[in-house]
Amino acid sequence: KQEVTQIPAALSVPEGENLVLNCSFTDSAIYNLQWFRQDPGKGLTSLLLIQSSQREQTSGRLNASLDKSSGRSTLYIAASQPGDSATYLCAVKRNTDKLIFGTGTRLQVFP
Amino acid sequence: DVKVTQSSRYLVKRTGEKVFLECVQDMDHENMFWYRQDPGLGLRLIYFSYDVKMKEKGDIPEGYSVSREKKERFSLILESASTNQTSMYLCATASWGTTYEQYFGPGTRLTVT
Repeated sequence: KQEVTQIPAALSVPEGENLVLNCSFTDSAIYNLQWFRQDPGKGLTSLLLIQSSQREQTSGRLNASLDKSSGRSTLYIAASQPGDSATYLCAVKRNTDKLIFGTGTRLQVFP
Repeated sequence: DVKVTQSSRYLVKRTGEKVFLECVQDMDHENMFWYRQDPGLGLRLIYFSYDVKMKEKGDIPEGYSVSREKKERFSLILESASTNQTSMYLCATASWGTTYEQYFGPGTRLTVT
């Protein structure tokens, strides 16, 4: 059974720091991995999607990497800003239709 | 951009009522999903649909049913609402193809009293 773990559960950093969020999964047979952002009381916003054949994806200050063999993905946020404060979720998709979600990392960036 | 809308942001219902939550998408995606999100439990899949009139049970279908009469619309039905169904409900869509990226609606916070 696929399990997805995110560490740390919470993170508080000063503005301007570069930071790394981690996502681990137990079954390397994935179709893709997706990173989401969720603001309090809101829906999920898709940030990046990495296909199983890819190693990384970049969007602006965000970079996500994927190492299937070790069952890990990282989300790198450069030059963090208070507006980056949110919960970040990763989710893996196997060849079935379901996404399996991690429990998230709650990020706070203070001025 | 994909747009996924949900009929209500906040909803308060009484125990035993029949509750309808509606999700509409404008991107012609084949696949639609209903999740619920609870603190400490994360997102859990209730039902999904890969085509009109098709539905599949997710991880926690008990107490729920769904309807997909049109491609753009996917409804979640609570047959007889109970207090343990108080939760945030999230709809999502995805298209077949190379990425199968999921897009979410804004969520409905349902309170059952």
